[in-house]
Amino acid sequence: NAGVMQNPRHLVRRRGQEARLRCSPMKGHSHVYWYRQLPEEGLKFMVYLQKENIIDESGMPKERFSAEFPKEGPSILRIQQVVRGDSAAYFCASSSGTGSYEQYFGPGTRLTVT
Amino acid sequence: KNEVEQSPQNLTAQEGEFITINCSYSVGISALHWLQQHPGGGIVSLFMLSSGKKKHGRLIATINIQEKHSSLHITASHPRDSAVYICAVTPGQGAQKLVFGQGTRLTINP
Repeated sequence: NAGVMQNPRHLVRRRGQEARLRCSPMKGHSHVYWYRQLPEEGLKFMVYLQKENIIDESGMPKERFSAEFPKEGPSILRIQQVVRGDSAAYFCASSSGTGSYEQYFGPGTRLTVT
Repeated sequence: KNEVEQSPQNLTAQEGEFITINCSYSVGISALHWLQQHPGGGIVSLFMLSSGKKKHGRLIATINIQEKHSSLHITASHPRDSAVYICAVTPGQGAQKLVFGQGTRLTINP
């Protein structure tokens, strides 16, 4: 029974490149959340998705960031034209959403922008 | 002011000591979560609670809804308990996202 999976675990991008982070939720979970942890800072909510829908994107930067959770396949967090300030750990969590507030976290993707 | 405040920010103790980490929040919540994060590692959910008290091994979590306060206790602390402990809340009714405290960095020396 695999938990939440994220890949890649580490990603290095040069400034201006695109970063794609993937998250596969736990089996049976249809709710996905993305959180960002900047160096020496706390975790911050970015976006909450259900299959094919963005439910809450109040924490997403207005430009360069987008997220999707297609009917088939993992959720993708996409960062275009990365800048040094995007260097952070990006965590995905999933929940069943059926009246449960419990979220299960993936191992995170550590993005380094050089 | 953050919606979730933790204290202390850093805590160093000797092996065997009783540890308490505090969390106060300023919003209505559906649930409160205690999470553990090891250096360079992922995040593990320790407890989710909306009232009362929960215990798992040497860890105990309590919450006082009226006072908007929760505590995480560790009995007979061990160096392997060294980690960052994070308090988070699910705010309001129907909300799903988590709002996090800044974390408490715990170091247990042998």
